[in-house]
Amino acid sequence: NAGVTQTPKFRILKIGQSMTLQCTQDMNHNYMYWYRQDPGMGLKLIYYSVGAGITDKGEVPNGYNVSRSTTEDFPLRLELAAPSQTSVYFCASSLRGEETQYFGPGTRLLVL
Amino acid sequence: DAKTTQPNSMESNEEEPVHLPCNHSTISGTDYIHWYRQLPSQGPEYVIHGLTSNVNNRMASLAIAEDRKSSTLILHRATLRDAAVYYCIRKTSYDKVIFGPGTSLSVIP
Repeated sequence: NAGVTQTPKFRILKIGQSMTLQCTQDMNHNYMYWYRQDPGMGLKLIYYSVGAGITDKGEVPNGYNVSRSTTEDFPLRLELAAPSQTSVYFCASSLRGEETQYFGPGTRLLVL
Repeated sequence: DAKTTQPNSMESNEEEPVHLPCNHSTISGTDYIHWYRQLPSQGPEYVIHGLTSNVNNRMASLAIAEDRKSSTLILHRATLRDAAVYYCIRKTSYDKVIFGPGTSLSVIP
């Protein structure tokens, strides 16, 4: 099992550009999550999904969109990149809500 | 609202036990207590979790107070590799997971 994989590892965006951060898990987990982590800070939940076709907002959803068309994939979309979105983005998955979360290696995003 | 409180930082000498406290005074009966740690430049990794009774695994032990309003993560012999930020989290099947700032553990050789 590869676990949770994220692409790209690193990306530089210009203000106003768009991009999609990819996240895939091969553990057949129902729950998937997107977090962001600013330098020296803890993780903040952006969006999460409890199954294919179901998504919900976390603490900091503004400026992001998600979709969950399959169990395996949970892409995060940035429509109009802003410098405030410079962060490290982590995707995670768990079998059920109360179970262990498995994290991907992260995507480092720089918006200039 | 992280719903848990932890000290910002702690220090330990190498090869000594470390007790990392967490307060979760508003915990409900269905909340599990999870601990994760994040090594520098890596994603968080699972350490241990429990509901009511104490738990042990190869990484650590989790001691949960009888009233469940607090818990302690115990690293039996700290190594330099244990230097990380440790997060204590309350988790239910239906609730959003909120990570607080965690405890930054330094291990002194």
